[in-house]
Amino acid sequence: GAVVSQHPSWVICKSGTSVKIECRSLDFQATTMFWYRQFPKQSLMLMATSNEGSKATYEQGVEKDKFLINHASLTLSTLTVTSAHPEDSSFYICSARDQAISEPQHFGDGTRLSIL
Amino acid sequence: DAKTTQPPSMDCAEGRAANLPCNHSTISGNEYVYWYRQIHSQGPQYIIHGLKNNETNEMASLIITEDRKSSTLILPHATLRDTAVYYCIVRPSAPDLNDYKLSFGAGTTVTVRA
Repeated sequence: GAVVSQHPSWVICKSGTSVKIECRSLDFQATTMFWYRQFPKQSLMLMATSNEGSKATYEQGVEKDKFLINHASLTLSTLTVTSAHPEDSSFYICSARDQAISEPQHFGDGTRLSIL
Repeated sequence: DAKTTQPPSMDCAEGRAANLPCNHSTISGNEYVYWYRQIHSQGPQYIIHGLKNNETNEMASLIITEDRKSSTLILPHATLRDTAVYYCIVRPSAPDLNDYKLSFGAGTTVTVRA
């Protein structure tokens, strides 16, 4: 079945640094990928839709300058958390849809980000 | 998108069938019902989806009522590894990029007990 890989699986870094998270579709092409954030004991919250070759579409309340998204190829989207602070600590999850078939979306295993 | 309502939690006995209900009384004619589950500290895993007819795959069965206002996910023989949060999601089938977004509610925390 379709596999979505995220890297790194977890990262700890100092406040003020920028962190890049990669999301790859391993065996299919994805024109659209999605980035979610999940805080402890809460559900997933969609942050943005990543579109290959064009700008990402951000959900209301998500700062696009804070969370930079690049979708340069049909198999890779990256999320960069710029100047990260402790409140950005969260579980970040991406999903992708095989453009060749209609359904369904598949999710990566997430990246746990801890900002000290 | 139509909203869904699920019980916050339920316990199931290992080896027994687990029946997970979901209400989606405002569902539209072109909206699918999706089920995903999330095991602790992992990304969500796709289980099954359907429009009108009942569906079955190697993981589960999906029973959708005739009026489509509710559905039930059935795990035929629950195992300890099925312990997870189960999400019932409704979303349109139209081929608009925005329509592929999934909105996650609180889900049902299912605990399978030996």
